[in-house]
Amino acid sequence: NAGVTQTPKFRILKIGQSMTLQCTQDMNHNYMYWYRQDPGMGLKLIYYSVGAGITDKGEVPNGYNVSRSTTEDFPLRLELAAPSQTSVYFCASSYSGELFFGSGTQLSVL
Amino acid sequence: GENVEQHPSTLSVQEGDSAVIKCTYSDSASNYFPWYKQELGKRPQLIIDIRSNVGEKKDQRIAVTLNKTAKHFSLHITETQPEDSAVYFCAASRNSGYSTLTFGKGTMLLVSP
Repeated sequence: NAGVTQTPKFRILKIGQSMTLQCTQDMNHNYMYWYRQDPGMGLKLIYYSVGAGITDKGEVPNGYNVSRSTTEDFPLRLELAAPSQTSVYFCASSYSGELFFGSGTQLSVL
Repeated sequence: GENVEQHPSTLSVQEGDSAVIKCTYSDSASNYFPWYKQELGKRPQLIIDIRSNVGEKKDQRIAVTLNKTAKHFSLHITETQPEDSAVYFCAASRNSGYSTLTFGKGTMLLVSP
């Protein structure tokens, strides 16, 4: 199993650009999550999904959108990138309890 | 919502010493408390977790204690080794089925040889 795969690993955006962070898992987990990690601030939940077709907001959803059309995929969309969205983004999945994280996407908005 | 406070933010120990990281939480309905370890440039990984029906759990050199009355839980690492150097995050949630975890801000543990 590859586990949780995120692409891209690094990206630089200009203010106002849009992009989609891709996340896919091959563990047949129902639950998937997007977290952002800022230095010294821990991990903050952006959006999560309990199954295909079901998504819900986390702690910091503003400026982001998600969709969950299949069990495997959970992409995160940034519509109008802002410098405040510079961060490391982690996708994760779980079956019960333990979160399995992807390797992260380092995003800079300049 | 839940608020998780973690202390200290940085902890330096000598190899072989013990290390203790403490967390407090605000939501009395929280009942699942995992700890994640994140090595530099890597993804977080679960090292141990505890549920509210248990007061203590141990796994080799790592142990976690939970005091539900005081709403705090702690990570204990004994006989520390340089490979224990990493950032450790505590977290809390109301259930472990789908873990909408609230994380602490992290503790950077440095173990000197």
